[in-house]
Amino acid sequence: DIVMTQSPVLLPATPGEPASISCRSSQSLLHSNGHNYLDWYLQKPGQSPQLLIYLGSNRASGVPDRFSGSGSGTDFTLKISRVEAEDVGVYYCMQTLETPLYTFGQGTKLEIK
Amino acid sequence: QVQLVESGGGVVQPGRSLRLSCAASGFTLSTYAMHWVRQAPGKGPEWVAIISYDGSNKHYADSVKGRFTISRDNSNNTLYLQMSNLRGDDTALYFCARDRSAAGRGGMDVWGQGTTVSVSS
Repeated sequence: DIVMTQSPVLLPATPGEPASISCRSSQSLLHSNGHNYLDWYLQKPGQSPQLLIYLGSNRASGVPDRFSGSGSGTDFTLKISRVEAEDVGVYYCMQTLETPLYTFGQGTKLEIK
Repeated sequence: QVQLVESGGGVVQPGRSLRLSCAASGFTLSTYAMHWVRQAPGKGPEWVAIISYDGSNKHYADSVKGRFTISRDNSNNTLYLQMSNLRGDDTALYFCARDRSAAGRGGMDVWGQGTTVSVSS
């Protein structure tokens, strides 16, 4: 099974400042087709998860451009260029390379300082 | 608007069965792969199952394989999860989610609000 490890677990962030979350996988998520099978989700308090980034670096529809995803293989990063108050919640990475066992990371909770 | 609405959750005794439904609206269900994802109280999400756009391919998490069955009725825009031999660790909020692609692995871009399953004697 592919294990996903996120850091930090808790991320105190300042509005207007950048923030980043790391996600590492126990196996490479780079497929022979060139895609990295890694998605990022945000679960705001009391809400369902929402897709932010798919295939490592593609912003989902309606996602503000202050969110960006990067990385390849086993190391990935979600960056927020300027944190806003509405960005609070728990961020999860998820690998979809290994079928049928898609796995989430343990989550990173972003809170406003 | 694009929407998924789950139903069918409830309190059930260990070993019993339950069927969840997910009604899709605002889009053509038959174009997309669909997932079930669950979240136990205070825990992160856990992927449960996926079904391809036409129902020809299905995959399950090891934790539910042999006990849960995912299915779909595209003519009625509905996704299902038949759960049998339920255990205490199946207690969770169950979400259905749309995949961006027909076969899966495209990212889950539409989520329902979830339906709660509680397994307790």
